[in-house]
Amino acid sequence: GENVEQHPSTLSVQEGDSAVIKCTYSDSASNYFPWYKQELGKRPQLIIDIRSNVGEKKDQRIAVTLNKTAKHFSLHITETQPEDSAVYFCAVSPGAAGNKLTFGGGTRVLVKP
Amino acid sequence: EAEVAQSPRYKITEKSQAVAFWCDPISGHATLYWYRQILGQGPELLVQFQDESVVDDSQLPKDRFSAERLKGVDSTLKIQPAELGDSAMYLCASSFGPGQGSTDTQYFGPGTRLTVL
Repeated sequence: GENVEQHPSTLSVQEGDSAVIKCTYSDSASNYFPWYKQELGKRPQLIIDIRSNVGEKKDQRIAVTLNKTAKHFSLHITETQPEDSAVYFCAVSPGAAGNKLTFGGGTRVLVKP
Repeated sequence: EAEVAQSPRYKITEKSQAVAFWCDPISGHATLYWYRQILGQGPELLVQFQDESVVDDSQLPKDRFSAERLKGVDSTLKIQPAELGDSAMYLCASSFGPGQGSTDTQYFGPGTRLTVL
């Protein structure tokens, strides 16, 4: 089955700096790559996603890049703010029928004021 | 904005007892998912429904877990008997489903945090 690895597991940045989280996956047929943010005790919230026919997508301070050849994708957060502190999960969906998501292990991001 | 609803939010039970969790997906979403999230890890799929049919329960421990979505709308996940290792967050998610011409986006509920003593 699909295997998703996420790094780093924890990330501490100074407010205003950038944060980058990387995920690698194993199934070359995967075609959908969402990122979720989960604050303590709350539901995972979709923050950005990308499909295999796009190499990069940006939404304000958040961007995701995809390298299908290398089978990795990354989340970039610029000008980090304290409210960006949370756990971030990458996920991968298979190209075959069905929308099962396989999640990475998560990255705990701490933005220090 | 419509959201996935789950209840209860918290459940404490003793091992060997039965527990049940309920999920109400976003209206119009044909696909419903139950995930288990162990503390410090990403969610893992337990079971996926398309309307009232199970399409993937390969990771569901069927000796003690059961799930149903009788009318293709809300769903119940049951554990009987509960074991210590079942302590986790149980998340429900929903999406429009494949072939709907929309997205694969899954929307999550707030989860039920289960503690087995």
